Amino acid sequence: ETGVTQSPTHLIKTRGQQVTLRCSSQSGHNTVSWYQQALGQGPQFIFQYYREEENGRGNFPPRFSGLQFPNYSSELNVNALELDDSALYLCASSDRDLKANYGYTFGSGTRLTVV
Amino acid sequence: DAKTTQPPSMDCAEGRAANLPCNHSTISGNEYVYWYRQIHSQGPQYIIHGLKNNETNEMASLIITEDRKSSTLILPHATLRDTAVYYCIVRAAFSAGNMLTFGGGTRLMVKP
Repeated sequence: ETGVTQSPTHLIKTRGQQVTLRCSSQSGHNTVSWYQQALGQGPQFIFQYYREEENGRGNFPPRFSGLQFPNYSSELNVNALELDDSALYLCASSDRDLKANYGYTFGSGTRLTVV
Repeated sequence: DAKTTQPPSMDCAEGRAANLPCNHSTISGNEYVYWYRQIHSQGPQYIIHGLKNNETNEMASLIITEDRKSSTLILPHATLRDTAVYYCIVRAAFSAGNMLTFGGGTRLMVKP
């Protein structure tokens, strides 16, 4: 079985630009979450999608938006980039319909640098 | 905010058991204790989780106190590859949002 894959691995953008990050969920997983991890800190929850619907959101402004597709892959879009958006962006998938909740499988992340 | 408290760092000798403590004094009856670890520049890796009974898998053991206010993750024979940041997280299974709230974690350094 494949794990969670994210693309690109690294990205440099200019302040004010827009960026799209992509995530392919682990096979069979119907839930995807996105996290932002600033240097030296723990990951912070951005939002989660279950069967293409957003069903949870952290304390992030509306310029952070997402999509989940019928094949359960996902995108994170960030508009009007700010310098503080520089971080590692992590995607995690799980199967919410499992009776035993074994937790999330994380990808290796996309390192975004805003200059 | 994270609902757990962990020491910021710990050292362990290679081959010895690493015991990582976590306090979660406000845990609710329907909340599980999860442990993840993050090796440098990688995504967090699931280790183990439990509700009230002690749990063991191929990676680690989880010991939860009877009052569930604290727990200990045990790596029985630590290796250099176990050097990582370990996160203790509490959350309700199947809750709305179902998110993981990470705190600062414990940076475990395994030394030769």
